[in-house]
Amino acid sequence: ILNVEQSPQSLHVQEGDSTNFTCSFPSSNFYALHWYRWETAKSPEALFVMTLNGDEKKKGRISATLNTKEGYSYLYIKGSQPEDSATYLCALPYMDSNYQLIWGAGTKLIIKP
Amino acid sequence: DSGVTQTPKHLITATGQRVTLRCSPRSGDLSVYWYQQSLDQGLQFLIQYYNGEERAKGNILERFSAQQFPDLHSELNLSSLELGDSALYFCASSVAQGLDVTDTQYFGPGTRLTVL
Repeated sequence: ILNVEQSPQSLHVQEGDSTNFTCSFPSSNFYALHWYRWETAKSPEALFVMTLNGDEKKKGRISATLNTKEGYSYLYIKGSQPEDSATYLCALPYMDSNYQLIWGAGTKLIIKP
Repeated sequence: DSGVTQTPKHLITATGQRVTLRCSPRSGDLSVYWYQQSLDQGLQFLIQYYNGEERAKGNILERFSAQQFPDLHSELNLSSLELGDSALYFCASSVAQGLDVTDTQYFGPGTRLTVL
């Protein structure tokens, strides 16, 4: 089955600083990559879906890039704010006899005021 | 608010018991997914239904079963509960049948199950 890895596991960032973290995956059989944000006591919420090598998506201060040849995606947050504190998950579709999303364990981001 | 509802929010029960978790998808969504999130583990896919039919199965135990009804709400039944079944159970819904790799899943608030 697909191995989706996220690093680092957790990250403490000073308010106002920019940061980034990684989702790594096998470069073969790539279909798409989903980024979700999961705030404490809430449910995961979709951020981006990325499909093409070199894809770049942006939503406000958050952006993501995709490199399917080397098997990674970066999520960037510019000028971190307290409301950015959350766990960021990536997920990739996996198909054998089934279709399902395989989820990474997440990067927990904590913004220090 | 994603539009996906789950009940109950919390459930506390004893080992050996059986419980039913309920999920109503977003209006217009035909697919429902169930996930389990245990302590220190990522989201584990359990099962997917599309328009009343089982579409995909993940790491779902034989003690667990699910169904989707004609009104598209879904129930996850957990029986012969063990301590290790304590977890957060999420339901998600989406428009597509599950073969659309860009299909976005919308998550409900989850049911926190505690087995004592």
